[in-house]
Amino acid sequence: GAGVSQSPSNKVTEKGKDVELRCDPISGHTALYWYRQSLGQGLEFLIYFQGNSAPDKSGLPSDRFSAERTGGSVSTLTIQRTQQEDSAVYLCASSLSRGPTDTQYFGPGTRLTVL
Amino acid sequence: AQSVAQPEDQVNVAEGNPLTVKCTYSVSGNPYLFWYVQYPNRGLQFLLKYITGDNLVKGSYGFEAEFNKSQTSFHLKKPSALVSDSALYFCAVRDGTASKLTFGTGTRLQVTL
Repeated sequence: GAGVSQSPSNKVTEKGKDVELRCDPISGHTALYWYRQSLGQGLEFLIYFQGNSAPDKSGLPSDRFSAERTGGSVSTLTIQRTQQEDSAVYLCASSLSRGPTDTQYFGPGTRLTVL
Repeated sequence: AQSVAQPEDQVNVAEGNPLTVKCTYSVSGNPYLFWYVQYPNRGLQFLLKYITGDNLVKGSYGFEAEFNKSQTSFHLKKPSALVSDSALYFCAVRDGTASKLTFGTGTRLQVTL
């Protein structure tokens, strides 16, 4: 079956520009997560959506980062006024529900490079 | 708060030999433990998880992991390594209240002929 998909796979942008990253979760999965993988920081949690509940934004590093999830499915992570330290691989994951035992399945990631 | 430690940046093993990738954790409640593997330029791929019950968990591609509550460890093992097992391995933990996974820093496994 189809897994988590992310687009674009690679994004190169100039400092100060805005970028949008897209995630399409596994069909039927109600929970969706964004993580960031960078050399200096490892894998960091960014934000989490569960159904129609208010998202858990506790991992967003600054107010330049925001995310939305439309119709309980596709999610978009937006980074405004990008900085070089935003360069990283952005990973999206989904799970059947928010239960602690549920497995999170990851997409292939979007590699963001800020010049 | 929850945390994971993977004390080895890299593990080297010869093909056919057993391998162990170490992981220790800290959580305030019951631990739910996961192992993921990442191949170059790919996302994370789920290997196995410990929820409750039998301390030895079997997963994909012949991998298994042993949960040890007294040592707060969840080491990944495989009886006979393959060159194709060479990849980056991540241990992760969450407790009953956290939505997010907390990951270790990763261990690079290098299997040579």
